[in-house]
Amino acid sequence: GDSVTQMEGPVTLSEEAFLTINCTYTATGYPSLFWYVQYPGEGLQLLLKATKADDKGSNKGFEATYRKETTSFHLEKGSVQVSDSAVYFCALGGKSSASKIIFGSGTRLSIRP
Amino acid sequence: GAVVSQHPSWVICKSGTSVKIECRSLDFQATTMFWYRQFPKQSLMLMATSNEGSKATYEQGVEKDKFLINHASLTLSTLTVTSAHPEDSSFYICSVEVGEAQPQHFGDGTRLSIL
Repeated sequence: GDSVTQMEGPVTLSEEAFLTINCTYTATGYPSLFWYVQYPGEGLQLLLKATKADDKGSNKGFEATYRKETTSFHLEKGSVQVSDSAVYFCALGGKSSASKIIFGSGTRLSIRP
Repeated sequence: GAVVSQHPSWVICKSGTSVKIECRSLDFQATTMFWYRQFPKQSLMLMATSNEGSKATYEQGVEKDKFLINHASLTLSTLTVTSAHPEDSSFYICSVEVGEAQPQHFGDGTRLSIL
């Protein structure tokens, strides 16, 4: 079945460091790919998405490119801030929001001042 | 975008109690809502798909008599954890389908602690 694998955390970085969180997927067909962020004690917020191969999703300085050839959707940010500390989930789903979303295990990110 | 409200945000109760969690779509009529469960430091697992006016569809391994879902209107779905026990303690999150080619919108979650 479909699945998502993302790098295990926790990841600890200093402020202004470069961030990469790896995510690969297995799916039949051509899913949409998402990154969600969960701040402490809160629900999930959609960070960015891509719906087809070579699409780049971006938001708040974060980027991820849908790579069909490597079945990857790695999350990157050039300069992280303390406020980026959260848990990040890579996920895949169908084109419609009625489709089931399959989440990766989540990566906890901590940024030191 | 759609605003999803969950209530309560945190509940603590004794073992054997039944607990109801509400998920409201504040500005969107939602035919379909989803209920997820998240154990500490783990990912979200889909429990069931809630369909307005019909029975919910449960994922494999989820006890439908334990986790009762009612979706009586286009803006409200409820999850009732019946006769809750400590192992039911978890973070429960709902989401709303908002339309074609749009991602689901999530509520802020309900933290359930059973003593």
